[in-house]
Amino acid sequence: RKEVEQDPGPFNVPEGATVAFNCTYSNSASQSFFWYRQDCRKEPKLLMSVYSSGNEDGRFTAQLNRASQYISLLIRDSKLSDSATYLCVVLGTGNQFYFGTGTSLTVIP
Amino acid sequence: GAVVSQHPSWVICKSGTSVKIECRSLDFQATTMFWYRQFPKQSLMLMATSNEGSKATYEQGVEKDKFLINHASLTLSTLTVTSAHPEDSSFYICSAGTGKATNEKLFFGSGTQLSVL
Repeated sequence: RKEVEQDPGPFNVPEGATVAFNCTYSNSASQSFFWYRQDCRKEPKLLMSVYSSGNEDGRFTAQLNRASQYISLLIRDSKLSDSATYLCVVLGTGNQFYFGTGTSLTVIP
Repeated sequence: GAVVSQHPSWVICKSGTSVKIECRSLDFQATTMFWYRQFPKQSLMLMATSNEGSKATYEQGVEKDKFLINHASLTLSTLTVTSAHPEDSSFYICSAGTGKATNEKLFFGSGTQLSVL
């Protein structure tokens, strides 16, 4: 079983829609959780860290569910500029980072 | 925020040549550096993890004699693709961490697109 599993999509949504991505992880001892955004042929950039209490940054909301071992990312009022690949990243034990396959999002005018 | 500089951004080379990619942490000491490869429409695949002053740890299936990693200082790690072949064409990207478990994050270089003719 992969350390981190993520639906690769693609998700094609109209502008203004709300879209949610989920990601599951296998190691219950994982320490930290992140969502990164990656544009084509560019480096991933940190979108937000994910905390158990849930955290929000503008139109983006991230949530961690330790009991079910998944994290989620919700994007409200999608913009064309949100089109990208969203990577779920988990910091496991031994300071090892694990990546999901990425979820491709295309926001359509 | 922390910055990781990677260069070159693009490399086009003939089959059989060696290519060196550098990754520098500019404003922090990178205890650990990670090297990834990404093929089109696929996720990042970890190739190896290097710790300053010690030998790199390679992931299964990655040839250590082909992908030479040197992490001689806390701010510089290099990946050398030896005798590159067309199947080595890929997007290579490094990332660095401070090695501090608390609030550890990854800082990525801008990536290197390698095309082997």
